[in-house]
Amino acid sequence: GAVVSQHPSRVICKSGTSVKIECRSLDFQATTMFWYRQFPKQSLMLMATSNEGSKATYEQGVEKDKFLINHASLTLSTLTVTSAHPEDSSFYICSAAKRAEEDTQYFGPGTRLTVL
Amino acid sequence: AQSVTQLDSQVPVFEEAPVELRCNYSSSVSVYLFWYVQYPNQGLQLLLKYLSGSTLVKGINGFEAEFNKSQTSFHLRKPSVHISDTAEYFCAVTSDNAGKSTFGDGTTLTVKP
Repeated sequence: GAVVSQHPSRVICKSGTSVKIECRSLDFQATTMFWYRQFPKQSLMLMATSNEGSKATYEQGVEKDKFLINHASLTLSTLTVTSAHPEDSSFYICSAAKRAEEDTQYFGPGTRLTVL
Repeated sequence: AQSVTQLDSQVPVFEEAPVELRCNYSSSVSVYLFWYVQYPNQGLQLLLKYLSGSTLVKGINGFEAEFNKSQTSFHLRKPSVHISDTAEYFCAVTSDNAGKSTFGDGTTLTVKP
């Protein structure tokens, strides 16, 4: 199997606070994890790519100081939205690629972030 | 650079009718191609993928897709749809030397009784 979980599934926070989202590969080791955000009725926008033990690679236009990514182990990556504002409200989805199958990403169920 | 164009933003069909969701891509290098399905408020589920070999790829839930290199297309088909196939479908391309996927804008498939 290739199961990816995310926690929490939904989070509501006040403007100015920070929120951490976890992404775990439950039954495999992920050589690479990806973080996306998705606005309503739109496609996925890649935010960053992270490899275990190294710094994440951010896409152009994504603020690395605002969206902190930590890939501490082969099964866990976290995305922290710092000093969140209402415009950060979105659906955040992670994906993970297996060793020896790096061409295929397995997606988590997503996290709905609402910033008040 | 790579890009994906899903030619139809919405596709309404009646139950048990056949359906085709169209996808065209562009890339300067060899690509891997994917179709995903997304149900409301959920992540993406892999339907099928083309990496190499046979150009006709069969996936889950009775879906199949055909890779056409000359037309740079990877259209998704199902001979008979069910109400439960109502969802958003995304085509994606990954180049073999980058590892990152580019997604199309999605096609909303609505199956009516």
